[in-house]
Amino acid sequence: KQEVTQIPAALSVPEGENLVLNCSFTDSAIYNLQWFRQDPGKGLTSLLLIQSSQREQTSGRLNASLDKSSGRSTLYIAASQPGDSATYLCAVTRGSNYQLIWGAGTKLIIKP
Amino acid sequence: KAGVTQTPRYLIKTRGQQVTLSCSPISGHRSVSWYQQTPGQGLQFLFEYFSETQRNKGNFPGRFSGRQFSNSRSEMNVSTLELGDSALYLCASSLETSGLEQFFGPGTRLTVL
Repeated sequence: KQEVTQIPAALSVPEGENLVLNCSFTDSAIYNLQWFRQDPGKGLTSLLLIQSSQREQTSGRLNASLDKSSGRSTLYIAASQPGDSATYLCAVTRGSNYQLIWGAGTKLIIKP
Repeated sequence: KAGVTQTPRYLIKTRGQQVTLSCSPISGHRSVSWYQQTPGQGLQFLFEYFSETQRNKGNFPGRFSGRQFSNSRSEMNVSTLELGDSALYLCASSLETSGLEQFFGPGTRLTVL
């Protein structure tokens, strides 16, 4: 059974710092991995999608990497800003079934 | 291009009632998935529809059902509401299957009293 874990559960850093959020999964037979952000009381915004054949994806100040063999993905945020404060979730799709399996999220607070 | 829309945004019901939530996917997207989000269980997959057919189903009781129309709009229905059904219900659409990038709506906040 696929399980997705995100560590830490919460993170508070000063504005301007670079930071890394972690996501691990137990079954390497994934179709893809997706990172989302969720603002309080709101829906989910897709940040980056990494297909199983890819190693990383970049969008602006965000870079996500994928290492299937070790069951890990990282989301790197450069030069953090208060507007980056949100909960970040990662989710994987299984090889035989396209439903998303979710981590519990990392709540990120960027202090001005 | 308009995003995924969900109606209503907020809903208050009492135990035993039933509720219907609506989701309109991004134009051209034929796959619609539904998820439940609660503080205790996090995000959980309910079901996925593609071309009016349910293709995948999560581990929820039969009180949770859904359907998809020919224009790809989808509805989910919860019958005999329980207090534990209080949650944010999120709908996502994707271009081919839910294995590709999913785009989420703002959600429907359901409160069961």
